[in-house]
Amino acid sequence: GDSVTQMEGPVTLSEEAFLTINCTYTATGYPSLFWYVQYPGEGLQLLLKATKADDKGSNKGFEATYRKETTSFHLEKGSVQVSDSAVYFCALSLTGSARQLTFGSGTQLTVLP
Amino acid sequence: DTAVSQTPKYLVTQMGNDKSIKCEQNLGHDTMYWYKQDSKKFLKIMFSYNNKELIINETVPNRFSPKSPDKAHLNLHINSLELGDSAVYFCASSLGTGGTEAFFGQGTRLTVV
Repeated sequence: GDSVTQMEGPVTLSEEAFLTINCTYTATGYPSLFWYVQYPGEGLQLLLKATKADDKGSNKGFEATYRKETTSFHLEKGSVQVSDSAVYFCALSLTGSARQLTFGSGTQLTVLP
Repeated sequence: DTAVSQTPKYLVTQMGNDKSIKCEQNLGHDTMYWYKQDSKKFLKIMFSYNNKELIINETVPNRFSPKSPDKAHLNLHINSLELGDSAVYFCASSLGTGGTEAFFGQGTRLTVV
């Protein structure tokens, strides 16, 4: 079946450090890929997405590139801020499938001042 | 205006009780979902409705019964609550099914004592 494997956390960084959260996927078809963020006490918000190979999604300084050859969609940010502290979820969704989003296990990020 | 709203935000109840969680979306989406997030933040889909019809029921105990009176609403009723039902329940909606992003409500934290 379809699955998403995410780098396990928690991840603790100092402000302005470089962030990478690894995400790889297994899918029977050709998925769209997403990163969602969950701030404390809130629901999930879409951070960025990519729908085909080599697409780069970006938002709020975060980037991720859809790599079909390595089945990966790693999240990166050049300089994290305290306000980026949250749980980050990688997810996939197959076009035409009724089975909406399949999520990774989530990665807790804490940024220290 | 909140895009996907669910009530209540917190729900504390005793074992054996019956409770409902309500969800409404004002995005004009035709597909709605319930997800369960456990204590380790793992997200799993429970139900998916498209145009008021159930399209996914993920091996959820039949104590859980979703009801969709119209495309904008998807409620979750839970009978005979058990301790293991304690979790955060998220409602979400999307335009269409697979391949598109979902928009999430703020979650309902259910605690069964």
